[in-house]
Amino acid sequence: GAVVSQHPSRVICKSGTSVKIECRSLDFQATTMFWYRQFPKQSLMLMATSNEGSKATYEQGVEKDKFLINHASLTLSTLTVTSAHPEDSSFYICSASPVSSNTEAFFGQGTRLTVV
Amino acid sequence: AQSVAQPEDQVNVAEGNPLTVKCTYSVSGNPYLFWYVQYPNRGLQFLLKYITGDNLVKGSYGFEAEFNKSQTSFHLKKPSALVSDSALYFCAVRDLYNTDKLIFGTGTRLQVFP
Repeated sequence: GAVVSQHPSRVICKSGTSVKIECRSLDFQATTMFWYRQFPKQSLMLMATSNEGSKATYEQGVEKDKFLINHASLTLSTLTVTSAHPEDSSFYICSASPVSSNTEAFFGQGTRLTVV
Repeated sequence: AQSVAQPEDQVNVAEGNPLTVKCTYSVSGNPYLFWYVQYPNRGLQFLLKYITGDNLVKGSYGFEAEFNKSQTSFHLKKPSALVSDSALYFCAVRDLYNTDKLIFGTGTRLQVFP
């Protein structure tokens, strides 16, 4: 099956610094990728839709200036958490699908972000 | 708006017994339904999907799901549970009217006891 690689799997950073998370589709092209956030023992919350070559679409309540998304190529999207604070600590997951609504989405391994 | 509901936060079952994890949906038009499983600190793994065709869908690891249009349900089932099936299970529907994004249920934790 298709593979989506997310890196890093874990990161610890200091308050006020920025952290970049990468999401790559390894064997298919993805014009759209999705970024989710998951709190402990909760479901996935869609943060934004990353669109190749254009601006991301953010869900209501998600700060676009804090969570910068770049989708510069058909196989790579990045999420940068800027000026991170402890409340940004969470599990972040990306997903992508080959072009077609009939196909399932493939998920990255997730990134555990801890802001200290 | 498209949505799915998972009414059970947790399901407990003894190893070897059949298991069911419930999911109901509310969509405009034909539903594109999915089941995913998540192990601790990992991303989601695809189990199975219903797009069209047979109402009984077979997927990975012996799981299957039955699409029931009249009851708007898509319950996940397995004839004989394994301890290794213990994980978090998510039902999802694809929002065909909004970037094809997946809309997830709240998740059901399956605990299989030896």
